[in-house]
Amino acid sequence: AQSVTQPDIHITVSEGASLELRCNYSYGATPYLFWYVQSPGQGLQLLLKYFSGDTLVQGIKGFEAEFKRSQSSFNLRKPSVHWSDAAEYFCAVGRRGSQGNLIFGKGTKLSVKP
Amino acid sequence: DAMVIQNPRYQVTQFGKPVTLSCSQTLNHNVMYWYQQKSSQAPKLLFHYYDKDFNNEADTPDNFQSRRPNTSFCFLDIRSPGLGDAAMYLCATSRDFTGGSSPLHFGNGTRLTVT
Repeated sequence: AQSVTQPDIHITVSEGASLELRCNYSYGATPYLFWYVQSPGQGLQLLLKYFSGDTLVQGIKGFEAEFKRSQSSFNLRKPSVHWSDAAEYFCAVGRRGSQGNLIFGKGTKLSVKP
Repeated sequence: DAMVIQNPRYQVTQFGKPVTLSCSQTLNHNVMYWYQQKSSQAPKLLFHYYDKDFNNEADTPDNFQSRRPNTSFCFLDIRSPGLGDAAMYLCATSRDFTGGSSPLHFGNGTRLTVT
């Protein structure tokens, strides 16, 4: 069965430091991959997506993610974190050839220290 | 700006008292979804509509129903809310399925409290 694992429940980084949030998936073929961000009390906002082609994808707010087929990973990175990046981040997998449903990871909560 | 709008932002209902949450979209997307998100958990899909075709997830309780009277609006009805139904309810849309490639556009959610 398809699954998404975000190993880190909570991460704290200092403002200005670099960030990497991990995401591993289990799927029999190349999936569609997404990262969403959720600020407290808000809905989810799409940061970036990977469908095919260049394995390094750029998103909004200075985020990027790299698809590594050999590691079944799609880690999210940002070179310099801002206090406004504090939020919950969800990795999600879309199944090619199927209807609708995205499979979400359990999320990683990011805290930013001044 | 095109968007997904959920009303109300906060809803309080009593145990067993029916409640309806609403969602509207100006994106003219074909697909509308309802997700339930409990504290510190991933969103869980309850059901979705592709145009007028309704698709219920296998583990969605019968207590949850949905209506989509037109392209723009979708409603979530909880017939007899229990304490365990307290959660954030997220509405989302996507242009199409296309094997999962269409990104989801989420509303800001309705926080449901059951007393």
